[in-house]
Amino acid sequence: DTEVTQTPKHLVMGMTNKKSLKCEQHMGHRAMYWYKQKAKKPPELMFVYSYEKLSINESVPSRFSPECPNSSLLNLHLHALQPEDSALYLCASSPGLTNTGELFFGEGSRLTVL
Amino acid sequence: AQKVTQAQTEISVVEKEDVTLDCVYETRDTTYYLFWYKQPPSGELVFLIRRNSFDEQNEISGRYSWNFQKSTSSFNFTITASQVVDSAVYFCALRAISGTYKYIFGTGTRLKVLA
Repeated sequence: DTEVTQTPKHLVMGMTNKKSLKCEQHMGHRAMYWYKQKAKKPPELMFVYSYEKLSINESVPSRFSPECPNSSLLNLHLHALQPEDSALYLCASSPGLTNTGELFFGEGSRLTVL
Repeated sequence: AQKVTQAQTEISVVEKEDVTLDCVYETRDTTYYLFWYKQPPSGELVFLIRRNSFDEQNEISGRYSWNFQKSTSSFNFTITASQVVDSAVYFCALRAISGTYKYIFGTGTRLKVLA
């Protein structure tokens, strides 16, 4: 079982909806990541939080709004999305931003925007 | 610039065959780390191996083995006696010490193991 838990596993939303994706880890990791993965493509980095502060924003549109309420939780707030935003959204964590070990991934939230 | 190339988009093999997935990387850093991840249909990327740039020893773990050659900037992955459960997308990734510490993923190789 993965130690990074993402909810919901599936989400269908209209372009005017507001929804949130949630990610939780209890490994004591201090870096958390959001990736977007389109079909048959590698994961693309969106955001990185380090010690609950936003460290990297890969020029993601403002309709995606990340939030890190505490060291265990990471949210991605979604508003006014476009159909092309439909993808698998993966959360990951690592002990620290400069840690050279592997990323620990959740199973992802599969988003469909109608 | 840093880059990871997985030239094989899709590979199909029959169960029990051996299969090698290729990974070629580019980086100017002398210290870097290479990874392989497996992504089954469930979606989660499962970590398989990490190798640092100073350790060129090959590694074997059960049916899996990895061949790291700095001279050719390659980090290839071999599955021996493949099984249907090996069917997945496999990603090679690079992480350098300098810069933003980002993980650079290859485009992935989809492996289909047929019964």
